[in-house]
Amino acid sequence: GENVEQHPSTLSVQEGDSAVIKCTYSDSASNYFPWYKQELGKGPQLIIDIRSNVGEKKDQRIAVTLNKTAKHFSLHITETQPEDSAVYFCAASPDYQGAQKLVFGQGTRLTINP
Amino acid sequence: GAVVSQHPSRVICKSGTSVKIECRSLDFQATTMFWYRQFPKQSLMLMATSNEGSKATYEQGVEKDKFLINHASLTLSTLTVTSAHPEDSSFYICSAKGGRRGYTFGSGTRLTVV
Repeated sequence: GENVEQHPSTLSVQEGDSAVIKCTYSDSASNYFPWYKQELGKGPQLIIDIRSNVGEKKDQRIAVTLNKTAKHFSLHITETQPEDSAVYFCAASPDYQGAQKLVFGQGTRLTINP
Repeated sequence: GAVVSQHPSRVICKSGTSVKIECRSLDFQATTMFWYRQFPKQSLMLMATSNEGSKATYEQGVEKDKFLINHASLTLSTLTVTSAHPEDSSFYICSAKGGRRGYTFGSGTRLTVV
């Protein structure tokens, strides 16, 4: 089955700097890669996602890149703000429109220092 | 956008009793719902996948007789933790998927068994 590895487990950056979180996956059939932000005591919220037919996607300060050959994808947050502090999870699924399950990475606790 | 409502947000129950958690898709029909369990500072672990009108598929190591899942309609799935014990204390999260919509997560339920 699919296995998703996420690094680093914790990340601390100065406000205004950029943060990068990386994930690798094992199943070449995976074609949908979402990123979630989870605040304490809440469910995960989708912040950006990418499908295998594109290599990069950007939404304001957030971007995701995908390298299908190497089976890795990354989350980039620029101009970080204190409200970006949270736990971020990457995930992979072989079928966006079907009933296939998401497999999550281990999570990254991001802390933005004022 | 897609909204998934999960109730209750917090519940405390006595050891040996049962607890029911509801997950509702408010503005779309969820053909598939997923139930996750999350321990502190850990990732989301899939417990089971349920399709409307059929029996849930449980992940390896998850006791189906202890964690009863009912997906009786396209907008409602329930998870019942039977004969709860302190080790069942955790954060339970549902996710709903339907049509072309991606995976939408509920806000989670913090279960404490005393």
